[in-house]
Amino acid sequence: ELKVEQNPLFLSMQEGKNYTIYCNYSTTSDRLYWYRQDPGKSLESLFVLLSNGAVKQEGRLMASLDTKARLSTLHITAAVHDLSATYFCALPRGFGSNDYKLSFGAGTTVTVRA
Amino acid sequence: DTGVSQDPRHKITKRGQNVTFRCDPISEHNRLYWYRQTLGQGPEFLTYFQNEAQLEKSRLLSDRFSAERPKGSFSTLEIQRTEQGDSAMYLCASSLTPRVGSYNEQFFGPGTRLTVL
Repeated sequence: ELKVEQNPLFLSMQEGKNYTIYCNYSTTSDRLYWYRQDPGKSLESLFVLLSNGAVKQEGRLMASLDTKARLSTLHITAAVHDLSATYFCALPRGFGSNDYKLSFGAGTTVTVRA
Repeated sequence: DTGVSQDPRHKITKRGQNVTFRCDPISEHNRLYWYRQTLGQGPEFLTYFQNEAQLEKSRLLSDRFSAERPKGSFSTLEIQRTEQGDSAMYLCASSLTPRVGSYNEQFFGPGTRLTVL
């Protein structure tokens, strides 16, 4: 059974500093998704990482995937308040057209303080 | 707005009552998914449809739960004889069947928050 572990579960960030969220998973996968969720809201897709060594960047967020280590990281550069949210990584439990159900980590709740 | 929509957004009910939620996917999407999210956890897969066919049901989906997608467009999720443990956010998502070499990007709706008293 696929297990997805995120750490830390809670992260208090100081504005302007850099932080990293880790996502470890237990079985082989060639892709990984990162989502953001604001309180009481739905999930917003941030990144899709499709191969070993994939790196995607959007603004202050950068995500990478190491399929050999079964590890993805989400790096936050110079944190700002509007990055406060919960971040989830998720993996599909299938390949190709069988890529349908997602297994999510427990989420990392980020709070950015001045 | 052409995103995934869900109705109602909030539902409060008493234990033992039946509730039904609706999900309207993005119009051209043939796949539709239901997930459940409890406080402090990530979403958990419940079931999924390809067109009108329900192709998989999680063991989380007890006999009290039933989902339909009668014409391959909108879907309903019904919970019979609700229990307090059913209190959660119920999320719907939709996607296209991925082409070979592509990936399955799921677009999520705003969710229906269920509170069972």
